[in-house]
Amino acid sequence: ILNVEQSPQSLHVQEGDSTNFTCSFPSSNFYALHWYRWETAKSPEALFVMTLNGDEKKKGRISATLNTKEGYSYLYIKGSQPEDSATYLCATSGDRGSTLGRLYFGRGTQLTVWP
Amino acid sequence: DSGVTQTPKHLITATGQRVTLRCSPRSGDLSVYWYQQSLDQGLQFLIQYYNGEERAKGNILERFSAQQFPDLHSELNLSSLELGDSALYFCASSVGQSNEKLFFGSGTQLSVL
Repeated sequence: ILNVEQSPQSLHVQEGDSTNFTCSFPSSNFYALHWYRWETAKSPEALFVMTLNGDEKKKGRISATLNTKEGYSYLYIKGSQPEDSATYLCATSGDRGSTLGRLYFGRGTQLTVWP
Repeated sequence: DSGVTQTPKHLITATGQRVTLRCSPRSGDLSVYWYQQSLDQGLQFLIQYYNGEERAKGNILERFSAQQFPDLHSELNLSSLELGDSALYFCASSVGQSNEKLFFGSGTQLSVL
């Protein structure tokens, strides 16, 4: 079992603020780190999949970094908008045995952006 | 729209009953995954199938079973249902076996009364 921790649990920001949250995971047996956005009444939608230490991915105003040696990833949102309000999930998969192919999800960071 | 189809969207049943949840993956995807989201836990992996074969198994109860058919659709069978089985069940699909983004269906909300 891979224990994935996300912080903070929830976050409230004003429109236009930039924000970031953290995902921590075991650095040993690492294979890939995923970020998903889950809007209320919808299904989780993939943002990024990262595998290499130092990876940085960007999609519009959202970006993510990965540090596999210390076991963390950051998700950044620049200039938050109300439509960014969602729960952001990270998940990791291991590189062998029963951990290959399955994702271990964190509990998520619930972001609310106020207009 | 992710391209993954799950039916039914909602299911209300009684304890002791058996239900079947159905999932059609995105066109071209060979892997199907089942996840359970309950109120007190995050998304929990249940099982993965790849091209008809079971590839990985998570915390799936013995009362639960799944299969993937030759046309790649999958079914999750839940039997002898208990109140604690009430949850949102997601199906997801991907092209390969691992390390790829998952495409989630809209989920089946199961309520066991």
